[in-house]
This record gives sequence, C-alpha cells and structure tokens, in this order.
Amino acid sequence: AQSVTQPDIHITVSEGASLELRCNYSYGATPYLFWYVQSPGQGLQLLLKYFSGDTLVQGIKGFEAEFKRSQSSFNLRKPSVHWSDAAEYFCAVGVSDYGGATNKLIFGTGTLLAVQP
Amino acid sequence: DSGVTQTPKHLITATGQRVTLRCSPRSGDLSVYWYQQSLDQGLQFLIQYYNGEERAKGNILERFSAQQFPDLHSELNLSSLELGDSALYFCASSPPGYYLPGELFFGEGSRLTVL
Repeated sequence: AQSVTQPDIHITVSEGASLELRCNYSYGATPYLFWYVQSPGQGLQLLLKYFSGDTLVQGIKGFEAEFKRSQSSFNLRKPSVHWSDAAEYFCAVGVSDYGGATNKLIFGTGTLLAVQP
Repeated sequence: DSGVTQTPKHLITATGQRVTLRCSPRSGDLSVYWYQQSLDQGLQFLIQYYNGEERAKGNILERFSAQQFPDLHSELNLSSLELGDSALYFCASSPPGYYLPGELFFGEGSRLTVL
C-alpha cells in the first residue's frame, strides 16, 4: 500500500540556518511526489512537485527537494530559513488510476517547523 | 488565495446532529476532493468527484456522504455526529484533463467542533 513517512514531528531551526525536512515514501510504481505547506489557519499550498526528469526540483519561496529512488526519499531543503517559513510541511505521494482519471494524494503526518530569531 | 471557497469556516454542533459543508472549486476545475485533518489521523482523503460523478473513495465513513452539483460546487454531509468527527475538513480542486496526480488547490477548510 502507498504510504508516506515524515519521521520528524517537530523541528526548530534558527533564522538564517539551513533546513532539511525528511520524507520517505512507499509506492510500487513511479511516484509523483509533492511538498505542501500549511500556515496557521490556512489551507495547504503547493511548494513543489516531482513527476519525472531532473531529480532536483525547485519550488516557491526558495525551497528545493531531491528525489532519491534508491532511498525512497524526497527531502525538502532550504539554504537559509526565514521567520515566515514557520509552518507545517506535508509530503505527499500522488496515486492515479490512469483509466479513470482518478487521482488523490496520500499525505505524511507533517513536520511542524519553528524558527528561532 | 487558492480560488477554492469553503463555508462555513467554523461550525460548532452537538453529538447526533447533522451538518453540511460546502465547497466551490476554482473556476474551470472539474474535480473536487474532500480531506479530513485531525490530530490523531492526520490528513485523510475522503472522496473525489469529477464533473458530478464519484471517482474515488477513501476513508469516508458511512455516516458521511458527498455530492457534486451541475454547477460543480460540492457538499459534504456529516450525520449522526460523534466527538471524534471534530476536525478540519478541506476541499480541494484540480484542473480538468488530469490523468496524473497533479497539483491540488486547497480551500482554507471548515473547522467542525462536535460537543
């Protein structure tokens, strides 16, 4: 069965420090991978996505993620964190039924990021 | 602003009651998805509609039902409510013609509290 694991429930970093959020997935076929961010009281916003091609993908707000098939990982990174990055981050794998245009996202449990001044 | 509108934003009700959550997708999007976010279960996919037809079902309880209307708005009906149904319910939409899992645009959610 498809699943996503985010091993870190809560991470605290200092403003200006680098960030890496971990994500591991389980999926039998080629994965379609996403990172979403949820700010307090807000819905989820897409940061970046991986479908195929270059395994290093760039997203909005200076985030990037690297797909590593051998490790079943899709870790999110940012070289210098800003206070406004404090939010909850969700990794997701896309599941599709090609015959029926059915698709859904399976989310990890999220990582809550706190940024210290 | 994602363009997905959900109402109400907050709802407080009692056990055993029934509520309806409403979602208007982005203009032009044909797919609507419902997700439930709770502390113990995380983000759970409930159901997907595409142009009025149910396309995929997730962990949706029998007490819950949904539909998508001809104008493409969707409603999620929750009945015989229990304390454990307290959660944030998200609606999301995606553009037409997607045969691969694509980007979903999420509304801000409806927070349901069952007392």
